[in-house]
Amino acid sequence: EAQLVESGGNLVQPGGSLRLSCAASGFTFSNFWFHWVRQAPGQGLVWVSRINIDGSIAIYAESVQGRFTISRDNTRNTLYLQMNSLSVEDTAVYYCAREGLETGEWYFDLWGRGTLITVSS
Amino acid sequence: EIVMTQSPATLSVSPGERATLSCRTSQSVSSKLAWYQQKRGQAPRLLIYAASTRATGIPARFSGSGSGTDFTLTISSLQSEDFAVYYCQQYNNWPPWTFGQGTKVEVK
Repeated sequence: EAQLVESGGNLVQPGGSLRLSCAASGFTFSNFWFHWVRQAPGQGLVWVSRINIDGSIAIYAESVQGRFTISRDNTRNTLYLQMNSLSVEDTAVYYCAREGLETGEWYFDLWGRGTLITVSS
Repeated sequence: EIVMTQSPATLSVSPGERATLSCRTSQSVSSKLAWYQQKRGQAPRLLIYAASTRATGIPARFSGSGSGTDFTLTISSLQSEDFAVYYCQQYNNWPPWTFGQGTKVEVK
């Protein structure tokens, strides 16, 4: 069964850093593009970042540009999100999501259960 | 950025009844719209993509329609497991991929 499992969530102080991981199983990780999406408490889903198959192309939401870095290790079937200069506005559950394979259809066909990041002093 | 507006925010429906959820986009997204279901504490699940195509394993009681700026998700006969929050997402103009604020379907 295809599965994504996030980890690394924690309580962190403003200005701090954290690295999230997303472990994939049950499918060929290296065939897919991936995203990070976040959800602040009681709020909707907000796209954060996307990475291509070999990790050479990454794009970011304006709100995290310059502070977050998405990466992947295809040998470990793992996606990462390095988060620096965290602020209280970054408090959210962070989900990794897999982009569908159909050409021209950039929806997200598999999601993890998320990991909670709380930024507070 | 394309703004997504879902209505209503909350929909109260009795089991077995039909539920109709709306999603409007601030500009045309053609048919590049998806619907997701999210239950408390769980991962979002893809229900519909390309506005009207059911994802693998999704029951036939879920259907999507629309194109351009107006879209609808219909659940023909609500089952107990369908009470959840539903989000629409456009993937025509990106970045960013944008989502609606969600419609909560609750028991009447």
